[in-house]
Amino acid sequence: DVKVTQSSRYLVKRTGEKVFLECVQDMDHENMFWYRQDPGLGLRLIYFSYDVKMKEKGDIPEGYSVSREKKERFSLILESASTNQTSMYLCAATPSFWDSGGYTFGSGTRLTVV
Amino acid sequence: AQTVTQSQPEMSVQEAETVTLSCTYDTSESNYYLFWYKQPPSRQMILVIRQEAYKQQNATENRFSVNFQKAAKSFSLKISDSQLGDTAMYFCAFTLTGTASKLTFGTGTRLQVTL
Repeated sequence: DVKVTQSSRYLVKRTGEKVFLECVQDMDHENMFWYRQDPGLGLRLIYFSYDVKMKEKGDIPEGYSVSREKKERFSLILESASTNQTSMYLCAATPSFWDSGGYTFGSGTRLTVV
Repeated sequence: AQTVTQSQPEMSVQEAETVTLSCTYDTSESNYYLFWYKQPPSRQMILVIRQEAYKQQNATENRFSVNFQKAAKSFSLKISDSQLGDTAMYFCAFTLTGTASKLTFGTGTRLQVTL
């Protein structure tokens, strides 16, 4: 069974800390995504990557950066965590640039910034 | 920019009954895909059903079916014979064809199935 694995299910960090959220996929998919999920707002795209070392901003990139050094791993970085970044973060992967629908999601990381 | 609207934040249905979740979207493009995703308490997002805009026939997956009205930009989900395991958040989502599959999501509908 194909998998997208997020390293932490729950995370508590202090304001100002540098935070890394890790996502690994075992499907050799080209595209990887980071979404943020908040009640009443649905899922919003933070960043995505369609190839190693390639990245594009999504709808809400402010305060975040990403890294994709290897095809299977896509990291979301909070350079200086703030309380308004307390949220659920979901990683996802799809096979290719032209593939519209083969999304596989991770099970999410609930981040609390105190 | 594309938008997706789910106007029902919460819904409730009794077991074995039928329920319809609403979704409207806005786009000026003609080639796109629409989806319904389910997110149970486990948080794992599960694809329920997918509709390609160029197909006039409504997609069906077992107890789940959609009513796709392209001109009205409407994409509702019907769940027949509701089961307790259908209790979840349901998200409607949209992607343009050939855009690296970036999804735009609605705000979600929380469905509670009761005995």
